Amino acid sequence: GAGVSQSPSNKVTEKGKDVELRCDPISGHTALYWYRQSLGQGLEFLIYFQGNSAPDKSGLPSDRFSAERTGGSVSTLTIQRTQQEDSAVYLCASSRSGLGANVLTFGAGSRLTVL
Amino acid sequence: AQTVTQSQPEMSVQEAETVTLSCTYDTSESDYYLFWYKQPPSRQMILVIRQEAYKQQNATENRFSVNFQKAAKSFSLKISDSQLGDAAMYFCACKTSGSRLTFGEGTQLTVNP
Repeated sequence: GAGVSQSPSNKVTEKGKDVELRCDPISGHTALYWYRQSLGQGLEFLIYFQGNSAPDKSGLPSDRFSAERTGGSVSTLTIQRTQQEDSAVYLCASSRSGLGANVLTFGAGSRLTVL
Repeated sequence: AQTVTQSQPEMSVQEAETVTLSCTYDTSESDYYLFWYKQPPSRQMILVIRQEAYKQQNATENRFSVNFQKAAKSFSLKISDSQLGDAAMYFCACKTSGSRLTFGEGTQLTVNP
């Protein structure tokens, strides 16, 4: 697509429920990144994919968080047994390989609210 | 790993004036890239300007320019002729190839009419 697409735009869930957030990167972009942004805060790195593999997943805050990427395209971030502190905006970004590999294009984010 | 520090949580500027946002970084890599992103209330992260570390010339994009001081590891953003639409959170960021993009804490810019 023309840009990075994220869904849902907003998600409200109850504590303890599982949620899935989806990211559809720009067509042809091989790298994909997930970040978390709590209210009024900076961006916290979660995980980075190159193709379908994740060379760096050191930012995942706990084993309740997982992410996968299939077909070198769409990625899903899953949060199990959500807690109130998981409430944040989850941002996805992608970048191409070769020239421009270091320039990330971001989606509009998924706002998660855990009640 | 790299670190990025923005020491100004908030800045304000009068419309049509010039403002400079500060950023310092640290990395052990010799090849790296520096960026300024803008995040308006819509929360969409927008790339403002970028600088390759190997380039000595400061990057410029219309009203936006940087002052890249490699030895001091400083990367400030200058916004000239500020407009109301420039009001946003500005993030400085650093990246090396094959690694994450590391962000500073952000500077909230207010533009006063």
